[in-house]
Amino acid sequence: EIVMTQSPATLSVSPGERATLSCRASQSISTNLAWYQQRPGQAPRLLIYGASTRATGIPARFSGSGSGTEFTLTISSLQSEDFAVYYCQQFKSWAFGLGTRLEIK
Amino acid sequence: EVQVVESGGGVVQPGGSLRLSCAASGFIFSNYPMSWVRQAPGKGPEWVSAIIGSGTTTYYADSVKGRFTISRHNSKNTVYLQMNSLRADDTAIYYCVKETPDGVAAVWGRGTLVTVSS
Repeated sequence: EIVMTQSPATLSVSPGERATLSCRASQSISTNLAWYQQRPGQAPRLLIYGASTRATGIPARFSGSGSGTEFTLTISSLQSEDFAVYYCQQFKSWAFGLGTRLEIK
Repeated sequence: EVQVVESGGGVVQPGGSLRLSCAASGFIFSNYPMSWVRQAPGKGPEWVSAIIGSGTTTYYADSVKGRFTISRHNSKNTVYLQMNSLRADDTAIYYCVKETPDGVAAVWGRGTLVTVSS
């Protein structure tokens, strides 16, 4: 069973600054990783798949990187609507991480 | 516009049954695998079950295996989740998800709330 570990659990960043979120897989998953954003009261929304490909309509300030076991989601200049919970997922086994809550500093 | 809309949630007693439905539109339904993902209050998403486009192969999380059954009716563009022997820890919002052929959860519905309580 593949376990996805996200860090930190909570990240406090000021608007306009850069946020870096991490996700680690318990074994190599190549680039079979997706990132999702969930705003309060809403369903998760696909941001990134294949570790680095933005989904349709996702702004360029969102970028993903990594392969194997270490992955990163970077939001280059935080907008108010970006403060949310972010989940990574190994989509071949449907394993989700526990999430990183991105809050306003 | 690609859309999936869930229905069928509600309050049920422990040991009871419920059937969720998900109506899809805006894409060739039979070409895509579909999944159900749930999210308990204050928790992260948990994948529950998936079914390939033809409906001939299904997958289940260990937590629901033997109790839940996923199915689809391609001529009605609908996927179902039959939930039996429900327990309190099945309480969650259940999301219907359109997957890519690789299994990426590309499109999510708004969810339907299932509450298991006496």
